[in-house]
Amino acid sequence: SYILTQPPSVSVAPGQTARITCGGNTIGSKSVHWYQQRPGQAPVLVVYDDSDRPSGIPERFSGSNSGNTATLTISRVEAADEADYYCQVWDSSSDHLIFGGGSKLTVL
Amino acid sequence: EVELLESGGKLVQPGGSLRLACAASGFTFNNFGMNYAMTWVRQTPGKGLEWVAEITGDGGSTFYADLVKGRFIISRDNSKDTIYLQMSSLRVEDTARYYCAKTALGVTYPMDVWGQGTMVTVSS
Repeated sequence: SYILTQPPSVSVAPGQTARITCGGNTIGSKSVHWYQQRPGQAPVLVVYDDSDRPSGIPERFSGSNSGNTATLTISRVEAADEADYYCQVWDSSSDHLIFGGGSKLTVL
Repeated sequence: EVELLESGGKLVQPGGSLRLACAASGFTFNNFGMNYAMTWVRQTPGKGLEWVAEITGDGGSTFYADLVKGRFIISRDNSKDTIYLQMSSLRVEDTARYYCAKTALGVTYPMDVWGQGTMVTVSS
């Protein structure tokens, strides 16, 4: 089945840029969605269709997708951005929804 | 306010059965003729998100993760804006918080509304 690979952890200082990757075979041909999950809370959609933002999500959140890697970029990182981030695709070959393993963003 | 409210989670013995429900408020499943696909996702404490099952807007198609196929059944009642997850032959490894989520439209769309989850514990 299709596998999405994320780094377990990413650390960044406040005000800097965090990049969280999501690797998958020809993931560039799929639509990638990203979710933020703060401790004790339900996930929240932050980027969909590779690079679009739902209403209410700051412009600091952006995404890209090409080749075998999708990337969630968080600019001017704030303490409130500290959370787990998950990438997600729909694998049409298996009709399965796939999550990456999640990346814990730590703001130093 | 758009909300999903899950219910039905509890402690159950291995081999037992349980039915979870997820009721929508602030929106209807049928939006000008378009029905939203709905999803169940679970999360073991301290672990990542795991997809469980999905149902299309009209309920005509269902999809399951390999680990639950044949044991879980997802269904929906659009007249009640509610979806269900019937779980049987439960295993200790099914212990998790179960979230329901609404997709933006079809199964390939992102999940734009999530409930707070309901906890299922499978233990003797």
